[in-house]
Amino acid sequence: LAKTTQPISMDSYEGQEVNITCSHNNIATNDYITWYQQFPSQGPRFIIQGYKTKVTNEVASLFIPADRKSSTLSLPRVSLSDTAVYYCLVGAYSGGGADGLTFGKGTHLIIQP
Amino acid sequence: GAVVSQHPSWVICKSGTSVKIECRSLDFQATTMFWYRQFPKQSLMLMATSNEGSKATYEQGVEKDKFLINHASLTLSTLTVTSAHPEDSSFYICSALGGQGKWGNQPQHFGDGTRLSIL
Repeated sequence: LAKTTQPISMDSYEGQEVNITCSHNNIATNDYITWYQQFPSQGPRFIIQGYKTKVTNEVASLFIPADRKSSTLSLPRVSLSDTAVYYCLVGAYSGGGADGLTFGKGTHLIIQP
Repeated sequence: GAVVSQHPSWVICKSGTSVKIECRSLDFQATTMFWYRQFPKQSLMLMATSNEGSKATYEQGVEKDKFLINHASLTLSTLTVTSAHPEDSSFYICSALGGQGKWGNQPQHFGDGTRLSIL
């Protein structure tokens, strides 16, 4: 199982770019990297997913180096509503089982005015 | 698209009763659904993997006789907490994986969770 390590918490200010890095040293060949956002008393919400290099969508970018042992979620111009817990999940589903569905502790991002 | 609905969102019941939680994929067929439990200020813990038409696969330490999972159709999975006790109080969250094959390129879609409080 690919274990993930993230900073427990981060602070930033409105309008800034925030980068959250996740380490996954024993990522497997078939594993994808997925980031989720969770607000209190809600289920996680999908942000972005990638396998290698860079992926960008309307809300975030995901940078994955060639060795895939880490990944960085980049949130451009954050606002107060981006205050949440962010999880990176590394794994793959194979046949009758799910590998790597172990959520790490997540990063509590706090955005200040 | 890819909406997962979970019901009820909140339930309070007496110790010893059984509680059923439903997880529905509203606009896609979910071959696989997952059930998680989350305690306050902690991360999500996978309880079981539910595949349509077959028995659920439980994670180590999760009592299959206490947490009954049924995935009878491609759009519905249920989790029944039997003879619930106060220590079962938690936030239960389901997720659904659509389509065939590897989830790795199909992210999980989560419900909004069920807050279970056992008195």
